[in-house]
Amino acid sequence: GAGVSQTPSNKVTEKGKYVELRCDPISGHTALYWYRQSLGQGPEFLIYFQGTGAADDSGLPNDRFFAVRPEGSVSTLKIQRTERGDSAVYLCASSMTSGGDEQFFGPGTRLTVL
Amino acid sequence: AQSVTQPDIHITVSEGASLELRCNYSYGATPYLFWYVQSPGQGLQLLLKYFSGDTLVQGIKGFEAEFKRSQSSFNLRKPSVHWSDAAEYFCAVVISGGYNKLIFGAGTRLAVHP
Repeated sequence: GAGVSQTPSNKVTEKGKYVELRCDPISGHTALYWYRQSLGQGPEFLIYFQGTGAADDSGLPNDRFFAVRPEGSVSTLKIQRTERGDSAVYLCASSMTSGGDEQFFGPGTRLTVL
Repeated sequence: AQSVTQPDIHITVSEGASLELRCNYSYGATPYLFWYVQSPGQGLQLLLKYFSGDTLVQGIKGFEAEFKRSQSSFNLRKPSVHWSDAAEYFCAVVISGGYNKLIFGAGTRLAVHP
């Protein structure tokens, strides 16, 4: 089937606004991950879902960031009161299970906060 | 804390030349090790991975990597580079026994001269 898809591909917003970034994982994949990639750096882990629950959210930078996966498939990353430092590419990945399976990455959403 | 170091930020090679990209990790036990490639406008793609066993692993696109425990290294190699290999390469680790929370290096950007 199709790979991991992310929408929108680009998002420009103003400082202080609220944004939602969406991830559609590969069908049947139970594990879903969000990463953030700042310019010139490697991706940094944000949060991991196993099914509907967030099993590890230790990478979320602060309480302005929140993610959900209510039905165990699509996930939404939500950022409140955006700041210029939130500008980055947000990557989503999914894998069949959590133990050692390959993570398949989406193309990312480029977020720009003006 | 676990970390991954890619000492070379940018490498330029001629087409047909051999390539070695360096990766060192910091972790007490043997982690799971990965190399990903990221081309402009595309998602991260897994080139190869090492979990255990033979320390020389083969991947896609003619790449291979060798795990050296004594040096805490997992260098990526290719005997003859093609122009299409120009991209950014990321080394990543996962704590063995855990779920796939990838910790990435900062990446090495590869340029290929004709």
